[in-house]
Amino acid sequence: SQQGEEDPQALSIQEGENATMNCSYKTSINNLQWYRQNSGRGLVHLILIRSNEREKHSGRLRVTLDTSKKSSSLLITASRAADTASYFCATEEDFGNEKLTFGTGTRLTIIP
Amino acid sequence: DAMVIQNPRYQVTQFGKPVTLSCSQTLNHNVMYWYQQKSSQAPKLLFHYYDKDFNNEADTPDNFQSRRPNTSFCFLDIRSPGLGDAAMYLCATSGLAGETQYFGPGTRLLVL
Repeated sequence: SQQGEEDPQALSIQEGENATMNCSYKTSINNLQWYRQNSGRGLVHLILIRSNEREKHSGRLRVTLDTSKKSSSLLITASRAADTASYFCATEEDFGNEKLTFGTGTRLTIIP
Repeated sequence: DAMVIQNPRYQVTQFGKPVTLSCSQTLNHNVMYWYQQKSSQAPKLLFHYYDKDFNNEADTPDNFQSRRPNTSFCFLDIRSPGLGDAAMYLCATSGLAGETQYFGPGTRLLVL
């Protein structure tokens, strides 16, 4: 399986603090994406970073990508209760197989 | 608003009784995906369509079939549901394979 690993599996922080989640993968990739999933719902796309990019920002989100280490991190700054969700990274392998491989996910809980 | 719609949101079926889950999209995307997601796990790709081309994952059981009669609709048929098939089933679309995926809210399947 090419499934990525996410670390930590679960994270609880106080509202207002920053949350950092890490993702490691196994193969060369075209892009890496982060998704959020609220309990019992579908996934929502957050951000896409391509293999030739090192860092990307979107609002309170910052994503880094280190292709030499095959790893990525997602930073959520100034966390809010509404950020409570599971976060998944997903990779598109570089031989263009038309699909994403999802990581194991991090369950983030923001304590008000 | 353009979106991905899944019906029903909840489906209860009996062991061995065929069931069909449906997905429709107004995004006019070429690619449609079906995922199975069990509790606290990553989404697992079952198969996907690139236009009319069907792509089955190697480890998808024969019990799972799919139909895509036109661009907008895609169906997941489970011919003889077992207790192990109880899960959330997620449909997603993508304009370009391997790029951002747009997910529906999911159908939660319960097998009695």
